[in-house]
Amino acid sequence: VQLVESGGGVVRPGGSLRLSCAASGFTFHEYGMNWVRQAPGKGLEWVSSTNWNGDNTGYGDAVKGRFTISRDNAKNSLYLQMNSLRVEDTALYYCVIFGMVGGEIDPWGQGTLVTVSS
Amino acid sequence: SSELTQPPSVSVSPGQTARITCSGDSLPKKYAYWYQQKSGQVPVVVIYEDSKRPSGIPERFSGSSSGTMVTLAISGAQVEDEADYYCYSTDSGGDHVVFGGGTKLTVL
Repeated sequence: VQLVESGGGVVRPGGSLRLSCAASGFTFHEYGMNWVRQAPGKGLEWVSSTNWNGDNTGYGDAVKGRFTISRDNAKNSLYLQMNSLRVEDTALYYCVIFGMVGGEIDPWGQGTLVTVSS
Repeated sequence: SSELTQPPSVSVSPGQTARITCSGDSLPKKYAYWYQQKSGQVPVVVIYEDSKRPSGIPERFSGSSSGTMVTLAISGAQVEDEADYYCYSTDSGGDHVVFGGGTKLTVL
């Protein structure tokens, strides 16, 4: 199981960014997917989730209305469109599967860093 | 939305038992999971579904549940167990994942 995030970077407050997560080593379309973030020196925060086909999504209160999760099962990819970014969105963003995948529990990617700063 | 509450820090001497609690209203109905996160590393599951231990996790790690509280116990804690520990679960509706605030375990 491999999850590789990309798309992070530095953006000004109010700006937008799109994160991607490339999945491999398992049958992507069989699993719900999640984004979890961790601000520097802070705890883990669930950001968003999607079911296997994208029909059922959920968002944390801090990002609801600003972030949109989506997936492309044909490309084995998960996305997070982040709009109206705030300084407090600065964090390492992880792609995560909650559950057992190929004998591994809760596989995580290595994360992509988003920095929102003026 | 539901919240999970953990103590910010726990400190024990090597060889003692460390206990980290996590409390929340959804816990009687939803499974809890425990992550260990060492500095600069990705979180790793040490307990899943309240009390199950993944393969490769030392037997000194155990989990228990009682009402609105779950507990991670590390029997005979070792210096290498120093890390941040997070509990997580889902809210009562099962749609949202909720993390505890994390507990920094110091073994010295």
